Amino acid sequence: SYELTQPPSVSVSPGQTASITCSGDKLGDKYACWYQQKPGQSPVLVIYQDSKRPSGIPERFSGSNSGNTATLTISGTQAMDEADYYCQAWDSALGVFGGGTKLTVL
Amino acid sequence: QVQLQESGPGLVKPSQTLSLTCTVSGGSISSGSYYWSWIRQPAGKGLEWIGRIYTSGSTNYNPSLKSRVTISVDTSKNQFSLKLSSVTAADTAVYYCARDVPGIAFDYWGQGTLVTVSS
Repeated sequence: SYELTQPPSVSVSPGQTASITCSGDKLGDKYACWYQQKPGQSPVLVIYQDSKRPSGIPERFSGSNSGNTATLTISGTQAMDEADYYCQAWDSALGVFGGGTKLTVL
Repeated sequence: QVQLQESGPGLVKPSQTLSLTCTVSGGSISSGSYYWSWIRQPAGKGLEWIGRIYTSGSTNYNPSLKSRVTISVDTSKNQFSLKLSSVTAADTAVYYCARDVPGIAFDYWGQGTLVTVSS
């Protein structure tokens, strides 16, 4: 079965750039998306089709996807960005999530 | 604005069948080329996609759960449902329903409902 691998945790200082990676076999041949989940809340889509932002998502969120790795980048990270982030892709008609990355802003 | 709301028992006994319903409001479940998915999350763990349905009745299931899962749709009620049979404690999780833009993303999510499997 298809697997997506994320680092368990990433730390970043306020105002700096955070990068969260998601690895999978030939992931660049698929569309990747990213969700933000804060404690006790439902996930929120922050990036879809590799690099597109839904309405209402700040411009500091960006994404890329090439080769075997998709990357979520948060520029000028703010305290409110502290959350769990999940990548997701489709393997044929099956949804696959990465294990999630806890972003700590300190 | 599309909204989704999960409903169903919060406690299910081991070996029994978990049944949840997702009610869609703010739009017809039949409009647009959307699938409707179920996703779960055990406490402190990651997200797991369970399966999805199109309003035609076409389904796709996670292979790891396929033998125990049935997803159905009732377009007259603007609802879709999940049944998971032979549950164990490992099925204890928050269950989410979500709108599924095929091949793209889950763009709208319900608030989630906690289902505990315990005698």
